[in-house]
Amino acid sequence: GNSVTQMEGPVTLSEEAFLTINCTYTATGYPSLFWYVQYPGEGLQLLLKATKADDKGSNKGFEATYRKETTSFHLEKGSVQVSDSAVYFCALSPLGFQKLVFGTGTRLLVSP
Amino acid sequence: DTGVSQDPRHKITKRGQNVTFRCDPISEHNRLYWYRQTLGQGPEFLTYFQNEAQLEKSRLLSDRFSAERPKGSFSTLEIQRTEQGDSAMYLCASSLLKRGALEDTQYFGPGTRLTVL
Repeated sequence: GNSVTQMEGPVTLSEEAFLTINCTYTATGYPSLFWYVQYPGEGLQLLLKATKADDKGSNKGFEATYRKETTSFHLEKGSVQVSDSAVYFCALSPLGFQKLVFGTGTRLLVSP
Repeated sequence: DTGVSQDPRHKITKRGQNVTFRCDPISEHNRLYWYRQTLGQGPEFLTYFQNEAQLEKSRLLSDRFSAERPKGSFSTLEIQRTEQGDSAMYLCASSLLKRGALEDTQYFGPGTRLTVL
């Protein structure tokens, strides 16, 4: 079946620290991979995506690389800000389209 | 472009009552999805439409749940005889799957939070 596993949170960092949130997946075929972010009181927003192996998605200083050999899509940012505090969801779409399968989410807390 | 909108944003109801939620997708998006999110979990797929056709339903969608998208624009999700276990955030997303494309991107609405007492 299709599933996504994320590191448990919360992840607590100081401002300007380096961020990694691990995400691994199980899927049949070649899924598309996504990171969504949910800020407090708001809906899910697409952060970045990658549709094939070795693709790198990037947005707002965040990056993730589609690694087929390790079935991973880890989220990274070189220098986090307080405003990055949110819940981050890794997701896959089994055929690139149709339904999304989400991980359980990782809460990030950034302190000044 | 206005985003995906959902109404109401919050709904409190008593067990056994029926509730209906509405989702208005981004204009011209041909796909519309419903998900459910419980506290501390990621969203779980319920069903989706391409235009007015309902193409897939999750096993999570019991007989008490029904979704429609009658004219291929807005959609409604109805829950009959609500139970306390139905309490959750109900999310709607829409996307534009272009002819011949191999992937689409889903854009989410703010959700409807349902509390069943």
